[in-house]
Amino acid sequence: GDSVIQMQGQVTLSENDFLFINCTYSTTGYPTLFWYVQYSGEGPQLLLQVTTANNKGSSRGFEATYDKGTTSFHLQKTSVQEIDSAVYYCAMSSSSFSKLVFGQGTSLSVVP
Amino acid sequence: DTTVKQNPRYKLARVGKPVNLICSQTMNHDTMYWYQKKPNQAPKLLLFYYDKILNREADTFEKFQSSRPNNSFCSLYIGSAGLEYSAMYLCASSRGWGGADTQYFGPGTRLLVL
Repeated sequence: GDSVIQMQGQVTLSENDFLFINCTYSTTGYPTLFWYVQYSGEGPQLLLQVTTANNKGSSRGFEATYDKGTTSFHLQKTSVQEIDSAVYYCAMSSSSFSKLVFGQGTSLSVVP
Repeated sequence: DTTVKQNPRYKLARVGKPVNLICSQTMNHDTMYWYQKKPNQAPKLLLFYYDKILNREADTFEKFQSSRPNNSFCSLYIGSAGLEYSAMYLCASSRGWGGADTQYFGPGTRLLVL
């Protein structure tokens, strides 16, 4: 079945550091890949969606791409700020009518 | 307004007792979902309603029930809570059905079973 693996459980960075979070996926379908962000006390919200391999999605200073060859997708931001502290989930849908499969989440703490 | 609301935010239940969690949305979305989230695990889809049709995941089929009396409300019902039900329960909604549709999540209900 479809699966998503997100290995980085916790990441601590200083302000203005570079952020890179990686996920790998497995599917026999044609995936659409997502990044959701969950701030403290709130539910997850969509940050980025990427539907085509090697295309970039971008939002709020974050960029996401996926590599069909290595079945991986990643989220990056050049310069993180304290307000970016949150849990970041990668997720995949293998077709228009399939469920969303989430990774375990990466808890990002940005310290001043 | 893209708000999904969940009540209660925290729930303490006794082993063997029933639990009912409530979710509401005012976006007129066709689909409403329930996920279970445990520490260090990915959110896991339990079930979803597409309009009036309930779909339950095979591995949790017998553990959870749900009802959707109207478009705006959806409940998650546990008939007899066990310790393993302690988790965060996230409700979400989307305009259509399908993973490509953006899902809007509520803040979650944290359930502790003792």
